Amino acid sequence: EAGVVQSPRYKIIEKKQPVAFWCNPISGHNTLYWYLQNLGQGPELLIRYENEEAVDDSQLPKDRFSAERLKGVDSTLKIQPAELGDSAVYLCASSLAGASYNEQFFGPGTRLTVL
Amino acid sequence: AQRVTQPEKLLSVFKGAPVELKCNYSYSGSPELFWYVQYSRQRLQLLLRHISRESIKGFTADLNKGETSFHLKKPFAQEEDSAMYYCALSGGSGNTPLVFGKGTRLSVIA
Repeated sequence: EAGVVQSPRYKIIEKKQPVAFWCNPISGHNTLYWYLQNLGQGPELLIRYENEEAVDDSQLPKDRFSAERLKGVDSTLKIQPAELGDSAVYLCASSLAGASYNEQFFGPGTRLTVL
Repeated sequence: AQRVTQPEKLLSVFKGAPVELKCNYSYSGSPELFWYVQYSRQRLQLLLRHISRESIKGFTADLNKGETSFHLKKPFAQEEDSAMYYCALSGGSGNTPLVFGKGTRLSVIA
């Protein structure tokens, strides 16, 4: 099994440009998370989905960030326009709802560099 | 507020020496505590969780509610233990998000 798949793995853009990241969770996992990891920091939650519903997006900067998970499977995270401070690693994770413990499985991440 | 503190950014030990990675948390309630590990060029993965009380790769961690700590220990470090270690907590049941510490880089010297 491939685990959580993310693409692209690396992205370099100029500031004010748009960018999108894609995530495909583990098959059968209906909970999907997007985390932001700045250099030297631990991951921080941006948004959590239960199926296609965003149940926790309080940390998502909605002026420039958006996300969707239309069919409750794969998800896209978008930034428009990107700023220099958005340079970071964007992690996607998934977990199985109803599990007795909260083990999240992480993708490899997308490393964004904004010039 | 939920918070996880890992006081050491870098910990260097010699092979065969004991290892202790510190983690303290702040949470009003009964959280679930986890240790995640990221080896070089690999993705973040679960190492162990407090509810299972198991030993993984020789590592153990005991939840101390009085001291609000969840330190990770191993009696004899191996070179392959070199990695980035993150302590994390999850509040409540279900698939609530993880709150991570800043991480500690463990370097095991041969």
